[in-house]
Amino acid sequence: AQTVTQSQPEMSVQEAETVTLSCTYDTSESNYYLFWYKQPPSRQMILVIRQEAYKQQNATENRFSVNFQKAAKSFSLKISDSQLGDTAMYFCAFMNPASGKLVFGAGTILRVKS
Amino acid sequence: DADVTQTPRNRITKTGKRIMLECSQTKGHDRMYWYRQDPGLGLRLIYYSFDVKDINKGEISDGYSVSRQAQAKFSLSLESAIPNQTALYFCATSVGQGGETQYFGPGTRLLVL
Repeated sequence: AQTVTQSQPEMSVQEAETVTLSCTYDTSESNYYLFWYKQPPSRQMILVIRQEAYKQQNATENRFSVNFQKAAKSFSLKISDSQLGDTAMYFCAFMNPASGKLVFGAGTILRVKS
Repeated sequence: DADVTQTPRNRITKTGKRIMLECSQTKGHDRMYWYRQDPGLGLRLIYYSFDVKDINKGEISDGYSVSRQAQAKFSLSLESAIPNQTALYFCATSVGQGGETQYFGPGTRLLVL
């Protein structure tokens, strides 16, 4: 069974600075997808970024980018120019496309300070 | 974005009561999912459905049942609620292809006393 580990329960960053959230996963599959979701205090789950494992290029969405290291089974999220609105819980998730099921990590609470 | 809606948004119930959480979507997606979120555990899959006639158990289905009434509707029932079912419940949808993004509803916060 796949597992996802987020080793940082909480992090904080100053506004306008850069922060990296860590995620590792365990799988024997070669084809899979990885996701980062954001959950602000409103509790809505919002997709931040999606990565296809067979693509070597790291996904990027505006200020959000990932460092995908397939051999190391690592999928970290970098947030540049942090904004107060980035304060949220961030979840890393793994999906085996054959099953279509998401497996989530425990989450990292990120606090952006002014 | 109200493409995926959940009712109720908040619910307090008592041990032993039957409760139903409802999910509706206007995205036209075939696949629907129910997750529960607990502090320190992330989200865990309860049940999922790839179409109206296809229902599958997830990681933590004990104590829950589901009904897929139509492509757009997927309900989760707790037949006899217990306090450790207190959690935040999410419905999600996706298109009928593996690897596609799941879109979440706003969640239902359930408290079982």
